[in-house]
Amino acid sequence: QKEVEQNSGPLSVPEGAIASLNCTYSDRGSQSFFWYRQYSGKSPELIMSIYSNGDKEDGRFTAQLNKASQYVSLLIRDSQPSDSATYLCAVGLVSGTSYGKLTFGQGTILTVHP
Amino acid sequence: DAGVIQSPRHEVTEMGQEVTLRCKPISGHDYLFWYRQTMMRGLELLIYFNNNVPIDDSGMPEDRFSAKMPNASFSTLKIQPSEPRDSAVYFCASSLDSFRYGYTFGSGTRLTVV
Repeated sequence: QKEVEQNSGPLSVPEGAIASLNCTYSDRGSQSFFWYRQYSGKSPELIMSIYSNGDKEDGRFTAQLNKASQYVSLLIRDSQPSDSATYLCAVGLVSGTSYGKLTFGQGTILTVHP
Repeated sequence: DAGVIQSPRHEVTEMGQEVTLRCKPISGHDYLFWYRQTMMRGLELLIYFNNNVPIDDSGMPEDRFSAKMPNASFSTLKIQPSEPRDSAVYFCASSLDSFRYGYTFGSGTRLTVV
């Protein structure tokens, strides 16, 4: 099992729909979770962070965390073509690794079509 | 704040040549990370530093790769000799506290070894 695993893509949604991106992680003790967006040819950009169970909303983005299920997700409401990018889940794993580094999933490619 | 600064943006070199990638982290950030990204393998951590000291270099592929951080504002990643399979985008990232704030990535260096 990979330490951080994202749902395989690519994911294609129509403009205006809700895009749902999912991520599972192996270390039950993990405390910090991040979503990065990476446009083609660009560097990853931090868009959301979440540390507690439940939902965290920022504009059209909602991050959801369920530590019991070791699951974190990102919802994008009213998806726009400009949301088309690769979304990377990153987790601060705490066991078996050195403190300070994040472990990234392989990314999910999202395409929003008009 | 100028962000994380990497140079060069693009590098094309011949197999067997030495390549040096450079990074200037955000002032005050104690952590610096070197990543490599390819389509096949995604984002791979090569090495990271805390307070200029290498903490984990287990991701460095082989002895051809070396990294240094002589001071808090500068780091280098060197490949000698370079090989075509080293072709990738190399990202530098820095952080004050990864688990609390995540990383800020530089723009990356696209390396092509022919």
